[in-house]
Amino acid sequence: GDSVTQMEGPVTLSEEAFLTINCTYTATGYPSLFWYVQYPGEGLQLLLKATKADDKGSNKGFEATYRKETTSFHLEKGSVQVSDSAVYFCALSDRSNFNKFYFGSGTKLNVKP
Amino acid sequence: EAGVTQSPTHLIKTRGQQATLRCSPISGHTSVYWYQQALGLGLQFLLWYDEGEERNRGNFPPRFSGRQFPNYSSELNVNALELEDSALYLCASSLAGQGPQETQYFGPGTRLLVL
Repeated sequence: GDSVTQMEGPVTLSEEAFLTINCTYTATGYPSLFWYVQYPGEGLQLLLKATKADDKGSNKGFEATYRKETTSFHLEKGSVQVSDSAVYFCALSDRSNFNKFYFGSGTKLNVKP
Repeated sequence: EAGVTQSPTHLIKTRGQQATLRCSPISGHTSVYWYQQALGLGLQFLLWYDEGEERNRGNFPPRFSGRQFPNYSSELNVNALELEDSALYLCASSLAGQGPQETQYFGPGTRLLVL
């Protein structure tokens, strides 16, 4: 069945460090891929998405490229800020699997000044 | 523009009781999704409603049910509550058409505690 696996946290970085949060997926068809972010005390927000292979989603300095050959959608940012501290969720929606939506377990990012 | 709203914010019940959670989608959105975020289990897809119909459900027992009203708001009902139902229940809404492929906008959640 469909699933999403993302790296366990917490991830602790210093400000201006490079960030990578790994995400790999298993899907029966051709899913859309998403990154959601949950800031402390707030609800989930869509960060970026990609709907087909080789698409790159980007927002707020974050990027992720839909890699069909490696079934991955890793989240990257060149220089993190303290305000990026949050929990990041990778997710997929598979239209060939009745449009079910699957989330990863979330990765907590702590950025220290 | 108002976001997705959920009520109540917190709910305390005892085992065997029933819980009703409510969600109002963003104006213009016809699809509503329910998720359970239990400690240690991540986000689990529960239900998807669109245009008043249940379109899909996750791997949850039938005591988890819901409905969508003509104004597109939605209720989630959990019958015969068990301790492991304690979780944050999130509602999301999206435009119609492609279901969960559309961007989903999440509410703040209802925290259910079963004693």
